[in-house]
Amino acid sequence: KQEVTQIPAALSVPEGENLVLNCSFTDSAIYNLQWFRQDPGKGLTSLLLIQSSQREQTSGRLNASLDKSSGRSTLYIAASQPGDSATYLCAVPIDSGSRLTFGEGTQLTVNP
Amino acid sequence: NAGVMQNPRHLVRRRGQEARLRCSPMKGHSHVYWYRQLPEEGLKFMVYLQKENIIDESGMPKERFSAEFPKEGPSILRIQQVVRGDSAAYFCASSPSGREPFFGQGTRLTVV
Repeated sequence: KQEVTQIPAALSVPEGENLVLNCSFTDSAIYNLQWFRQDPGKGLTSLLLIQSSQREQTSGRLNASLDKSSGRSTLYIAASQPGDSATYLCAVPIDSGSRLTFGEGTQLTVNP
Repeated sequence: NAGVMQNPRHLVRRRGQEARLRCSPMKGHSHVYWYRQLPEEGLKFMVYLQKENIIDESGMPKERFSAEFPKEGPSILRIQQVVRGDSAAYFCASSPSGREPFFGQGTRLTVV
């Protein structure tokens, strides 16, 4: 059974810092890995999707990497801003379909 | 093309009442997924439906919970005889076949 773990559970940084969020998964036979952002009381916004054949994906100040063999992914946020404050979730498909197993998330606070 | 629409956004029910949560998938999406997020926990998969069929309900509690996705109209997640422990955010996601899902804003159920 796939298990997804995210470290740290919470992170507080001053504005402008570069930071790394970690995600690990127990079954390396994944089809892709997705990073989401969740704002308080809101839904999920997809940030980056990395296919199993890819090593990384970039979008603006965000860069996600994937190492299937070690069961790890990282989300790198450059030059953090207060608007980046949110909970970041990683998720992998349960199988080849679209059902997802989520980590518990990292709650990020960027202080002005 | 509107996103995944969930209503109501907030729902308050007394213990013992029924809760009906609705999800309208994105246009052209025939796959619907329901997830539950308990307070201070990650999202957990509940059920996967295609039109008129339940494909995977392995995450659904065995009693009081049911889901449907009729040929016409939205998908419905129904919780009978609600208890305090049912208080959570319920998210719906939809996808075209075999693609990454898009999430709705969620319905926040409070049982008093």
